[in-house]
Amino acid sequence: AQSVTQPDIHITVSEGASLELRCNYSYGATPYLFWYVQSPGQGLQLLLKYFSGDTLVQGIKGFEAEFKRSQSSFNLRKPSVHWSDAAEYFCAVGARGTYKYIFGTGTRLKVLA
Amino acid sequence: DVKVTQSSRYLVKRTGEKVFLECVQDMDHENMFWYRQDPGLGLRLIYFSYDVKMKEKGDIPEGYSVSREKKERFSLILESASTSQTSMYLCASSLPPGQENSPLHFGNGTRLTVT
Repeated sequence: AQSVTQPDIHITVSEGASLELRCNYSYGATPYLFWYVQSPGQGLQLLLKYFSGDTLVQGIKGFEAEFKRSQSSFNLRKPSVHWSDAAEYFCAVGARGTYKYIFGTGTRLKVLA
Repeated sequence: DVKVTQSSRYLVKRTGEKVFLECVQDMDHENMFWYRQDPGLGLRLIYFSYDVKMKEKGDIPEGYSVSREKKERFSLILESASTSQTSMYLCASSLPPGQENSPLHFGNGTRLTVT
């Protein structure tokens, strides 16, 4: 079955520290992959996407993600976290040629000053 | 920038009421979606539409219906609201699948409380 797993429900980091949010997916073919961020009371904003090509993808707000086919992973990284990055982060998989998107259950990031 | 606008940020309705949630997008996207978001469950697809007057059930359509009379507008209808439908509702739009610009673009959400 198709699925997306974000194993960390909550993560706390200090401001200025590096960040890695994990995402694993189960999918029969090469998917489209996305990371979204949701600030409190807001909708989801697209951080970055992977469709094909270079497996290291750059996004907005200094985030990047790496697609590793062998590990079925698409982890999100940021070298230095800012207090404004505190939010909930969702990994999503899109099925090529269909309208189906599958979302993980989210990782809530807390940033300590 | 794509703008997806949901008409209400907060709604409080009584059990049994008919509820309309409205969504408008301004980028001429073919696809529109309604999700509900609940803690620990992530986003679950209620309905989507790939063209005017066309709709498909998502994963949790029970208790909901939708209407798409114009390309830019997609309405979610709760025929008889129940307390189990208290949730955050997110509308999204996108280009057709297979295109590199086909990520979902979300509105800010409507938090519905049914009492």
